[in-house]
Amino acid sequence: EAGVVQSPRYKIIEKKQPVAFWCNPISGHNTLYWYRQNLGQGPELLIRYENEEAVDDSQLPKDRFSAERLKGVDSTLKIQPAELGDSAVYLCASSPGTGPEAFFGQGTRLTVV
Amino acid sequence: QQPVQSPQAVILREGEDAVINCSSSKALYSVHWYRQKHGEAPVFLMILLKGGEQKGHDKISASFNEKKQQSSLYLTASQLSYSGTYFCGTSGGTSYGKLTFGQGTILTVHP
Repeated sequence: EAGVVQSPRYKIIEKKQPVAFWCNPISGHNTLYWYRQNLGQGPELLIRYENEEAVDDSQLPKDRFSAERLKGVDSTLKIQPAELGDSAVYLCASSPGTGPEAFFGQGTRLTVV
Repeated sequence: QQPVQSPQAVILREGEDAVINCSSSKALYSVHWYRQKHGEAPVFLMILLKGGEQKGHDKISASFNEKKQQSSLYLTASQLSYSGTYFCGTSGGTSYGKLTFGQGTILTVHP
């Protein structure tokens, strides 16, 4: 069974440019998470979806970050415009909703220069 | 409020034991433990629920002290494959999705 797939794996952009990340969760998983992980830190939740509904986006910087999960499957996370402080690894995770285990993708490492 | 993990790093030789602690200033409902190897995705190890029993599989186990709002992860007879960064994620409610992760403990096992 395929795991959580994220793309791209790496992205380098100049500040003020837009960037988008894509996530394909495990088939059948209703819950999808986007996390940001700064170097040497634990993951920080940005947004959580139950199917296509964003049920927790309290930590998403809404002035520049946006996310969508069309049809309750794939999801995209966008940053516009990017700032130097946005450099981090962006992790997507999914869970079936019947248990606590979240399955993480390998992440997208974003470098803003 | 982010949980605090201790120690920040630990170095072991194969076969030695280690304990990683996770403390919270808030009342906890569940504690989740993950391991992340360098450049890889975090992998779920186990969850401990309020009122639940100590968990474990293979030589990795964990406990949850509700009164102290603290969880400990025990690694016995460590193997090279145990190397990585261990994170605890805590939840104050019944929603597993609302996790706050600690800063991580780097575990290095040498031959």
